[in-house]
Amino acid sequence: QSALTQPASVSGTPGQSITISCTGTSSDVGGYNYVSWYQQHPGKAPKLMIYDVGNRPSGVSNRFSGSKSGNTASLTISGLQAEDEADYYCSSYTSSSTWVFGGGTKLTVL
Amino acid sequence: EVQLVESGGGLIQPGGSLRLSCAASGFTVSSNYMSWVRQAPGKGLEWVSVIYSGGSTYYADSVKGRFTISRDNSKNTLYLQMNSLRAEDTAVYYCARASPSSGWYGFEYWGQGTLVTVSS
Repeated sequence: QSALTQPASVSGTPGQSITISCTGTSSDVGGYNYVSWYQQHPGKAPKLMIYDVGNRPSGVSNRFSGSKSGNTASLTISGLQAEDEADYYCSSYTSSSTWVFGGGTKLTVL
Repeated sequence: EVQLVESGGGLIQPGGSLRLSCAASGFTVSSNYMSWVRQAPGKGLEWVSVIYSGGSTYYADSVKGRFTISRDNSKNTLYLQMNSLRAEDTAVYYCARASPSSGWYGFEYWGQGTLVTVSS
């Protein structure tokens, strides 16, 4: 149950697009289309932003999109806004009927 | 409205036991996949355990044999019994629901979290 691999930090300026990667194995990311992405602001509970690789829950801005290729999933945020500054975590269902999270990526909006 | 409210956290000595509760409203716990997820201070999220709607349970290797997840259908409440606690179990513990509206494998609803501190 090794954690999925994410970059520790990414940054961008307002209006730009950024992409956060999430690398796993064929037993998790690569084996299932069950990758989710979460946004977490300091002191708050995580918020689901993307599920099943590329689906957005009701109420989530269409500036957030997800994709997957092989063992790597990606979250793209377009039209970056100041309120997007937060920590982002990926998660995947696994072949062991469990879940695994990534180590998290801190997004800074410059 | 869906709500999850955790309770039961606190300060406990190493080797001690604690039971966390997660009271649910607005939906039926036994019809959903319910998980516990924890976050150590300043660290990332770590999945801990799940109880499926059919009753099957699974655990992260880090807690297997020490933690037990369960539910009380009559109280619509999820539990996490934590035994043989270690310093590294110190974290905010969240209960989370994976629902049909999030494809069953995304955690759409989260509680506010309850802090467990393991220290002498």
